[in-house]
Amino acid sequence: GEDVEQSLFLSVREGDSSVINCTYTDSSSTYLYWYKQEPGAGLQLLTYIFSNMDMKQDQRLTVLLNKKDKHLSLRIADTQTGDSAIYFCAERDDKIIFGKGTRLHILP
Amino acid sequence: DTEVTQTPKHLVMGMTNKKSLKCEQHMGHRAMYWYKQKAKKPPELMFVYSYEKLSINESVPSRFSPECPNSSLLNLHLHALQPEDSALYLCASSQLGQGEQYFGPGTRLTVT
Repeated sequence: GEDVEQSLFLSVREGDSSVINCTYTDSSSTYLYWYKQEPGAGLQLLTYIFSNMDMKQDQRLTVLLNKKDKHLSLRIADTQTGDSAIYFCAERDDKIIFGKGTRLHILP
Repeated sequence: DTEVTQTPKHLVMGMTNKKSLKCEQHMGHRAMYWYKQKAKKPPELMFVYSYEKLSINESVPSRFSPECPNSSLLNLHLHALQPEDSALYLCASSQLGQGEQYFGPGTRLTVT
């Protein structure tokens, strides 16, 4: 069945870049997403990439997609304390499948 | 405007109560969703409405009853819930045929 895997925790020093990685199994995925969830809040769509793209950049966010390896990454440049949250990778074919989420912890 | 609103923000109910969760969007999206999220877990899909018709029910118990009265509103009626139903209930919407789903802030439900 479809599966999305990501590491559960990432610790990064403030000002450094954060890279959150994700792998997925469904080769027919048409969209891949990154959502951010702050404590007690709903999910915020950060960015998404179509499966025929390799890269997408949006201000401090860079998404890289390696379709051959089914690997998706999210790079956050100049990580700030406000970036502290859980980041969910998700893929979509007929419905969205979420990974378990990566908790990003910012060190001062 | 990419906002999905949900009310109430918090709800505490007993196992014999009947209550409803409400969701609203004004983005013209014709697909709306209910998700359930337990602590430290990803959201789990419950229901999908397309053009105000129920298109997916992920084998959700009948004590959860969704309703889509019009293209902007989505309700979730709750009756005879169990303590294990306590969770964050998230509503989302999207354009049909397009990927990105926009989520509301959620209703945190506690069943006592």
